[in-house]
Amino acid sequence: KQEVTQIPAALSVPEGENLVLNCSFTDSAIYNLQWFRQDPGKGLTSLLLIQSSQREQTSGRLNASLDKSSGRSTLYIAASQPGDSATYLCAVCPPGGGNKLTFGTGTQLKVEL
Amino acid sequence: GAVVSQHPSWVICKSGTSVKIECRSLDFQATTMFWYRQFPKQSLMLMATSNEGSKATYEQGVEKDKFLINHASLTLSTLTVTSAHPEDSSFYICSASGDYPEIQYFGAGTRLSVL
Repeated sequence: KQEVTQIPAALSVPEGENLVLNCSFTDSAIYNLQWFRQDPGKGLTSLLLIQSSQREQTSGRLNASLDKSSGRSTLYIAASQPGDSATYLCAVCPPGGGNKLTFGTGTQLKVEL
Repeated sequence: GAVVSQHPSWVICKSGTSVKIECRSLDFQATTMFWYRQFPKQSLMLMATSNEGSKATYEQGVEKDKFLINHASLTLSTLTVTSAHPEDSSFYICSASGDYPEIQYFGAGTRLSVL
């Protein structure tokens, strides 16, 4: 059974700092991996999707990497802003799994002024 | 584009009553919809997957008679929590996928509080 873990569970950084969020998964047989953002009491916003054949994806100040063989992904946020404060979730999709996502436990990020 | 609307956003009900939550894809045809449950400070747990016109597939441990899912059209799925109890209080989120099955679009969630 796939298990997805995110470290740290919570992170507080000053504005402007670059930071890295970590995601690890136990079964390397994945179809893709996604990073989502969730604001308090809200749904999810997709940030980046990395296919299993890809190493990284970039969108603006966000860069996500994938090392499938070691079961790890990182989300790099450059020049953090208070508006980046949210919970970040990673999720993996199994091959041929009908897009049934397994979510990580999340990292709650707070960017302080 | 690709907007999923979930209604209501918050509902309070008495124990023993049933509650219906709607999930609509506003600008695309959702061939598959997913229902998740999220407890405070925990991750999302998939409850069931539904394809338009067919019965939902429930994850292990999810009572199908307790959580009734209907996906009668390509734009609407409903989750009915029957005979709700306080332990059913949670945050319920739906998602939908269409032409690109690997992409799920999420609703804003429904907070259910059972008194």
